[in-house]
Parts: sequence; C-alpha cells; structure tokens
Amino acid sequence: GAGVSQSPSNKVTEKGKDVELRCDPISGHTALYWYRQSLGQGLEFLIYFQGNSAPDKSGLPSDRFSAERTGGSVSTLTIQRTQQEDSAVYLCASSLVPDSTEAFFGQGTRLTVV
Amino acid sequence: EDQVTQSPEALRLQEGESSSLNCSYTVSGLRGLFWYRQDPGKGPEFLFTLYSAGEEKEKERLKATLTKKESFLHITAPKPEDSATYLCAVQGPTQGGSEKLVFGKGTKLTVNP
Repeated sequence: GAGVSQSPSNKVTEKGKDVELRCDPISGHTALYWYRQSLGQGLEFLIYFQGNSAPDKSGLPSDRFSAERTGGSVSTLTIQRTQQEDSAVYLCASSLVPDSTEAFFGQGTRLTVV
Repeated sequence: EDQVTQSPEALRLQEGESSSLNCSYTVSGLRGLFWYRQDPGKGPEFLFTLYSAGEEKEKERLKATLTKKESFLHITAPKPEDSATYLCAVQGPTQGGSEKLVFGKGTKLTVNP
C-alpha cells in the first residue's frame, strides 16, 4: 500500500475484554514499531520488530501486552484483560532499514476501554 | 535515561510572525534527533533528522538546528496551515538492537490569519 495502515481506526471495548490491533506496514519496510500516545503525554515506545523478531520489547507495560509480526509484514498488538488505563491511541510505524531516519506512521487506533 | 523536553507547550502566532520551538534533550550518545509534525487525529509526519551539533536542515518555512544540548525548529513567516503539534524525538545508542525513539510531549502551534 501507499502508507502504513492500521485497523480498526477506533475500538471501544469493555474492561476485561481482549483486543487485537493490526498494522500493515509499507511494503518492503523491514523495521516496525509500536507506540502509544495517551492524552497529554508524548509518544511512548512499546516494541520494535526487525523482520519477524523483536529485539526490543522493553516498552510493553505489562504481561497483558504482546505483539507478533508474521511474514516480515503484518503485525498484531494484543492487549488481554483490558483496563481503563489502556485507553490511548496506538500508533504503528515502519521504516525501510533498522536505523532508518525516516519512520512512517499510520493514523493510529484509538482504543477506549469502558 | 534518555529525556526530551519541549517548550513552550503551546504557542500562538499571527500569520507572518516568525518564532522558534525548543527541544532540550539528555541522551548518552545521540544517534539522531527527529522532528515530526502531527495534525489532529493523524499519525506523526516526518520532517527532519539531525545527526550532529551544528547541522541545519530546511524545508519550506521550517529550519531545524542542533546543538549538543538542544534543537530549535525555526518557523519563518508562518501560515495558518502550519498549525499543528510539533514533536521532537531522540535516538540513543543501539542497546540490544533497540531502535526506539524517545519523544517529547510536543508543542502545539496555532497560527492565526
């Protein structure tokens, strides 16, 4: 595709339910990143993929959060047993090479936990 | 721990009124400093990467500069369409293969016609 695509664009879920957020990176981009943006806060790093492996998972807030990437392309971020503090915009970005200076971001998924 | 502080939090300008946004950073071994623009409801849009003190980059009405402790985003004769939140981020040393960026909270710029 022309850009990074994320789905759904909006998700409202009940506390305690599991959610899956999807990211389709730009074709050919080997590096993929997940960030979270809470109201009034800066972007918070979650996880980084190089190909299908994740050299840096240090930003995942708890073991309720997990992510995978398959075929060096699509990535899924899963949040189990959602809590209200998980409400945020989840942003995915991809770049051509690992230390790329130009990461392209998707539009984000706005997650609301009620 | 890498830290990025942006100031001011919000800035209102009249069209044509030039100004600068500040990004102060603390990082052990800067690999790159990044500027992004973010419009409401959208993901950040890449503007510039700076690598070393003294470096400058320009794009239309924007110019980014870098010192060893801070970066400035200068906006010359801004137009209403420059209204957005401007984000600064730093990339520190590769540790365990990490390529993460550490972002500041941003400066919300409003340019009035």
